[in-house]
Amino acid sequence: VQLVQSGAEVKKPGASVIVSCEASGSSFTGYYINWVRQAPGQGLEWIGRINPNSGGTKYAQKFQGRVTMSRDTSITTAYMDIYSLTFDDTAVYYCAREMDASGSLDYWGQGTLVTVSS
Amino acid sequence: DIVMTQSPDSLAVSVGERATINCKSSQSVLDKSNNKNYLAWYQQKAGQPPRLLIYWASTRESGVPDRFSGSGSGTEFTLTISSLQAEDVAVYFCQQYYSTPTFGQGTRLEIK
Repeated sequence: VQLVQSGAEVKKPGASVIVSCEASGSSFTGYYINWVRQAPGQGLEWIGRINPNSGGTKYAQKFQGRVTMSRDTSITTAYMDIYSLTFDDTAVYYCAREMDASGSLDYWGQGTLVTVSS
Repeated sequence: DIVMTQSPDSLAVSVGERATINCKSSQSVLDKSNNKNYLAWYQQKAGQPPRLLIYWASTRESGVPDRFSGSGSGTEFTLTISSLQAEDVAVYFCQQYYSTPTFGQGTRLEIK
């Protein structure tokens, strides 16, 4: 199983960014994809998840209205779009596969650094 | 949201000695309908994504050395490394997935 994410991004405050996560090695529609972020030197923060089979999503309340998760099953890729970026959104963003809809995350992408800078 | 609090924040242990990390949740993460604790442990080495070590509080992920073990139930949990190896230097996080997932703040483990 491999999750390969898109490359680093530098954005200005107020902009939006899309991070992609291409999955291989297992059934793409068989496992939820979660998104987690980690600010520099900080801990882990759950952003939300998508069911690649149905497209259904669940977001952390903090990110409601400011994030959209989607997927393209034809290319086994999940996407996370974050809008209205602020300096506090500077972080490494990870996608991770959820084990059997249990909530624990068994495979992770390599991470995508998003830097918000003026 | 359920708040996860780890202790200590950092820990230094000699090679071959036992390391113990604690994790406390602000409310129970035990589902009494299936008797499962919705609690996982992750290891994160510098510059790498987290790695799943333990799920359901005590089930070791495939490929994880058996010196790693998880225990506890309800609101109090422990990750134990029975005989610390140099390659275990990392930050360790607990995570609850009983409700909207949340993580502990992390425990930095170093060699004494």
